[in-house]
Amino acid sequence: GESVGLHLPTLSVQEGDNSIINCAYSNSASDYFIWYKQESGKGPQFIIDIRSNMDKRQGQRVTVLLNKTVKHLSLQIAATQPGDSAVYFCAENRKGAQKLVFGQGTRLTINP
Amino acid sequence: DTGVSQDPRHKITKRGQNVTFRCDPISEHNRLYWYRQTLGQGPEFLTYFQNEAQLEKSRLLSDRFSAERPKGSFSTLEIQRTEQGDSAMYLCASSLDKGGEQYFGPGTRLTVT
Repeated sequence: GESVGLHLPTLSVQEGDNSIINCAYSNSASDYFIWYKQESGKGPQFIIDIRSNMDKRQGQRVTVLLNKTVKHLSLQIAATQPGDSAVYFCAENRKGAQKLVFGQGTRLTINP
Repeated sequence: DTGVSQDPRHKITKRGQNVTFRCDPISEHNRLYWYRQTLGQGPEFLTYFQNEAQLEKSRLLSDRFSAERPKGSFSTLEIQRTEQGDSAMYLCASSLDKGGEQYFGPGTRLTVT
């Protein structure tokens, strides 16, 4: 069925290293993708988004890459910090729809 | 704080009781969304409003659930005759326009005993 999923449930990296979190989606009609960060006990916090007419977008320490050929989305976090420890979700907004469809999430742990 | 706010943050109730949650979106946002999130999972869409009109409801939203946004500003989500399976985090989000970025509130964590 249609879904947005993540390849790994957990990821540990050393502080200062770069991290890459991956996401696969199945609906080729999707035209908007978002990465959210969720800390314990809090709601999802917007990190970065990308529309389907782009393949890369950069923010502060974060980069999102979109490969429509293989329906793959990734979030790169540069020079990770302890505050980056959280669960990261990719979400998909399908063309013409209002709701976001979320994947299960990847728990990122930054080791000191 | 001008973000999305939700009240209460935590609610413990006994099975069979009714509960009501409130969401105050960002003031100029005309779209408001409710999601439910269970432990270890991503949020799942429940329903959304454009101004005061409820335009879409998920199949997850059983007859025991009702949502309102009477004046196109704050919204309430009521669950009648709560069941243990209703235990979850209920998240509210708002956005300025169609396809716009959705900003989430802190959520209301419901525990049904």
